Amino acid sequence: GQSLEQPSEVTAVEGAIVQINCTYQTSGFYGLSWYQQHDGGAPTFLSYNALDGLEETGRFSSFLSRSDSYGYLLLQELQMKDSASYFCAVRSLTGTASKLTFGTGTRLQVTL
Amino acid sequence: DTAVSQTPKYLVTQMGNDKSIKCEQNLGHDTMYWYKQDSKKFLKIMFSYNNKELIINETVPNRFSPKSPDKAHLNLHINSLELGDSAVYFCASSRLLADGNEQFFGPGTRLTVL
Repeated sequence: GQSLEQPSEVTAVEGAIVQINCTYQTSGFYGLSWYQQHDGGAPTFLSYNALDGLEETGRFSSFLSRSDSYGYLLLQELQMKDSASYFCAVRSLTGTASKLTFGTGTRLQVTL
Repeated sequence: DTAVSQTPKYLVTQMGNDKSIKCEQNLGHDTMYWYKQDSKKFLKIMFSYNNKELIINETVPNRFSPKSPDKAHLNLHINSLELGDSAVYFCASSRLLADGNEQFFGPGTRLTVL
């Protein structure tokens, strides 16, 4: 099976940098994705890492270390609108079937 | 233009009833999914379809029956609703099965079973 761990809550100040960690256990690992979900909204895709290293998309970056079964999402220049839940999700392959297994989510609160 | 749409947005019903949720995507994607998000925000896959073919059935009770009349639509019918079915149900799509890392989610259907 798959399991993912991420902190339940993180608080940071506007303009700061925050890192949300994710550790996973899975078989048939194919990549790690990150999604953002505002209260009452739908999950929206942020980034994906299939290989080790850092992927940068604007203020957001995501990192993966396959050997450590670990990744993180880095949010820079935090804005109030970044207050949301952030989910890491492992993509795994079982035969020809591919699926995303989501972590329990990290609630980020950005304060003034 | 809405990419992935679901109807209804809210559904309140009594235990034992049967209900359906509809999903449509206008992205031209091949693969569609149903997810259930519980009150603790845990998001879990239920089904995935690729070109109308069932790919994943994640040990969901057979009271839940998905139907894909074409690759742009994936509907979810639920029989004999139970209290534990109360949740937000999200439909999602991805361009290909191989692009499953990037999924586009619909706005969700909040189901409340009384």
